[in-house]
Amino acid sequence: QKEVEQNSGPLSVPEGAIASLNCTYSDRGSQSFFWYRQYSGKSPELIMFIYSNGDKEDGRFTAQLNKASQYVSLLIRDSQPSDSATYLCAVNPQAAGNKLTFGGGTRVLVKP
Amino acid sequence: DAGITQSPRHKVTETGTPVTLRCHQTENHRYMYWYRQDPGHGLRLIHYSYGVKDTDKGEVSDGYSVSRSKTEDFLLTLESATSSQTSVYFCAISEVLSGSYNEQFFGPGTRLTVL
Repeated sequence: QKEVEQNSGPLSVPEGAIASLNCTYSDRGSQSFFWYRQYSGKSPELIMFIYSNGDKEDGRFTAQLNKASQYVSLLIRDSQPSDSATYLCAVNPQAAGNKLTFGGGTRVLVKP
Repeated sequence: DAGITQSPRHKVTETGTPVTLRCHQTENHRYMYWYRQDPGHGLRLIHYSYGVKDTDKGEVSDGYSVSRSKTEDFLLTLESATSSQTSVYFCAISEVLSGSYNEQFFGPGTRLTVL
């Protein structure tokens, strides 16, 4: 079992709809969780992080964390073609110090 | 790119040659990381540094060495490049401050091809 798992996609979403991305992790003691967006040929860009159970909203993005079920999700509201990218989930496992473990990413395609 | 540059941005080299990639930051962050990104494997940590002259191995460190003689520079060396090291290499930085949670910020990447 991979430490951080994501569905590779592609997740096809109509413009204006909500894109829902999920990420599960294996280390129950993980402390902080990150979502990165990566456009093709570019570097990962941090868009959200969350460290406590519940929801965290930033503009059109909402991160949701459920530590008991060991998953973190990202919702993109009012999806735009510019949201088409690969979204990487990253987790800071308890014993990893300052290191992050990344999932393989979910590719999102927003169709006009 | 949070004050992070990588050089070179693209490099083609031959099997068996040494290669050094450079990461330079202007943020004075303590932590620096080298990752490689390959299709089907995502981002994997090669080496990281938690201060000048303080480095440690990541999950895919075989065939790579690093050095950090100054806060702002973190060098990744492939002693004898192999075709399996063809990849995109990203440098990242972070700082652990009160109220922060080890957010890592990435450089623009170096595309390395080993023929």
